Amino acid sequence: DQQVKQNSPSLSVQEGRISILNCDYTNSMFDYFLWYKKYPAEGPTFLISISSIKDKNEDGRFTVFLNKSAKHLSLHIVPSQPGDSAVYFCAATISGTYKYIFGTGTRLKVLA
Amino acid sequence: EADIYQTPRYLVIGTGKKITLECSQTMGHDKMYWYQQDPGMELHLIHYSYGVNSTEKGDLSSESTVSRIRTEHFPLTLESARPSHTSQYLCASRPDRNTQYFGPGTRLTVL
Repeated sequence: DQQVKQNSPSLSVQEGRISILNCDYTNSMFDYFLWYKKYPAEGPTFLISISSIKDKNEDGRFTVFLNKSAKHLSLHIVPSQPGDSAVYFCAATISGTYKYIFGTGTRLKVLA
Repeated sequence: EADIYQTPRYLVIGTGKKITLECSQTMGHDKMYWYQQDPGMELHLIHYSYGVNSTEKGDLSSESTVSRIRTEHFPLTLESARPSHTSQYLCASRPDRNTQYFGPGTRLTVL
């Protein structure tokens, strides 16, 4: 049973517009959520994280929103740039453990 | 910017060979991880280390072994490679729970 789900395998967005990447989770014991970007043949690059006690965290063009009642988080990228084209993974840590649970990723394509 | 290195980046070997995938980080992190990822799939934890001389197996059953003799070095060894080991192997380290840094990965192909 997948505890972290990214239900959209791909997303296309025009350059300059907003990209919204979504992630749903089932485990109430997650205490941190993280977003990563991954280019082909490279390792994931950490983007931004949020604690389960917050509902928003912002870093430059990236904002993560957490809706605990819906067990849903989203990553907003504004404005989107062609260099943002990559696979985006969400991940969560289980409180009291060392484990990170990853989603299967969403491929974002930003069109020039 | 994270300083975590993996070698080799690509490896093609024959069945039955012993291989060691190297991972090093210069950030002094105690916590280090090895993940396996197949295309289009999530990352699966295969090994974890709390610090020197402290390692644990992850959720994904793996025939690999690891060692942690020095803080900065966390190599992964396959005693006898098989085609089922073909995958991408990612090493990571973290300073705290809300940040985890990855190396560039090793793409392993076993013929």
